[in-house]
Order: sequence, then C-alpha cells, then structure tokens
Amino acid sequence: DAKTTQPNSMESNEEEPVHLPCNHSTISGTDYIHWYRQLPSQGPEYVIHGLTSNVNNRMASLAIAEDRKSSTLILHRATLRDAAVYYCILGGVTGKLIFGQGTTLQVKP
Amino acid sequence: GAGVSQSPRYKVAKRGQDVALRCDPISGHVSLFWYQQALGQGPEFLTYFQNEAQLDKSGLPSDRFFAERPEGSVSTLKIQRTQQEDSAVYLCASSFNRAFRQPQHFGDGTRLSIL
Repeated sequence: DAKTTQPNSMESNEEEPVHLPCNHSTISGTDYIHWYRQLPSQGPEYVIHGLTSNVNNRMASLAIAEDRKSSTLILHRATLRDAAVYYCILGGVTGKLIFGQGTTLQVKP
Repeated sequence: GAGVSQSPRYKVAKRGQDVALRCDPISGHVSLFWYQQALGQGPEFLTYFQNEAQLDKSGLPSDRFFAERPEGSVSTLKIQRTQQEDSAVYLCASSFNRAFRQPQHFGDGTRLSIL
C-alpha cells in the first residue's frame, strides 16, 4: 500500500487560511487521495477526496499536484473547531484506508 | 439521519475474557469496515465486509479476532481470550457502495481496556 508523509504538527491563527501538505510519491494511477480529520474522543470524519483535479466542498479545498505526488488540504478560514488530527490517505480499489500519523493542527484564537 | 452507532462505548475486561463489540452502520450502507486505534496512533485496518461477505480480513492481528455481519447490516467484532495488547479503541465505518470512491462514515468507537 502506498504511503503518505505529513508534518507532525502545524499551527494556525483563527480566521486565517491553513495549508496542510501531504507527499505521496509512490501513488498509483488508481489511488484516490482522501483527507479525514479526527477530534479527540471521536471517530475520524471525512473531509474531502479527489483523484486528479482540484476539489472543493463546504469544508475545504483539495489541491492536487499535476504529477499527483503531493497534495494540499486548504481550510479557507480556520476556526477553533478545526483543531484536530488531519490524515492524508491513499485509497485504492480495495477501499480500506491506510492511516499514517497525521498532522495535529492547533488553532490559536 | 442516524450515523454509525457503536456499543458499548467503553468496555473493561479482565485478561483472558471474551468480548463482543457491536456496530450499527448507516441504513443502506453496503460496505463496513473495522479499524483498531492504539493510543496516540492512527487507526489501523482490521477487516472489510461487502454486505454479509467478509472480503478482506488481512488486518486481523490473530485468530483470536473474529468479525461477522450475518444479515449484511449489524456487525460484531469478537475478541477471544483477550490480552493487554488488545487495549485500544475499535472503530467501525460504513460507506454506501463501491467503497474506494465513497467516503467512510465512522462511529465514535468502543474503548476497550484489558486489565
């Protein structure tokens, strides 16, 4: 299974944009790029996913590099409720998600 | 609508006891996954069902772990002769269909502590 590399932690100020990077140099052609986040004592929550093109939804945007070896999750205006562990995951045809350590995002008021 | 429901929320058992963890997926969701999350780590895949068929059990750590989904809805994860290393949060997730394209919806997990 292809792996991803993320920074262990990041900080942001409230109401500022946040760019969370992810490297996945061994991604295969059929792997989707998924982002989930997990708040303390809760299960992971789906954020966004994409294959090749950039994606937007009400929670975030996903920017995918042209060679697909990296991607960036963009939170347009961070709030205190966005403080969580963010996981970048490559999902293949099997459907199972291979989580890494994720990025712990701290949002300062 | 109701999300994925897991019970019990917390379970304490003595080493050597058998435990059963229940997952109620979102109604109509075909795919169901179990994950194990140790303290401070990301979740790790255990097993996957498509309806009642267990299509992937490659993540089950030993033959003490057994999962079933007999009618294609509710699933049970059973751990026999529990060991201290089984202490973790067990997460269940479901998705509508064609799992690799659909987001997975997670429950809040069962926190299992083995004394």
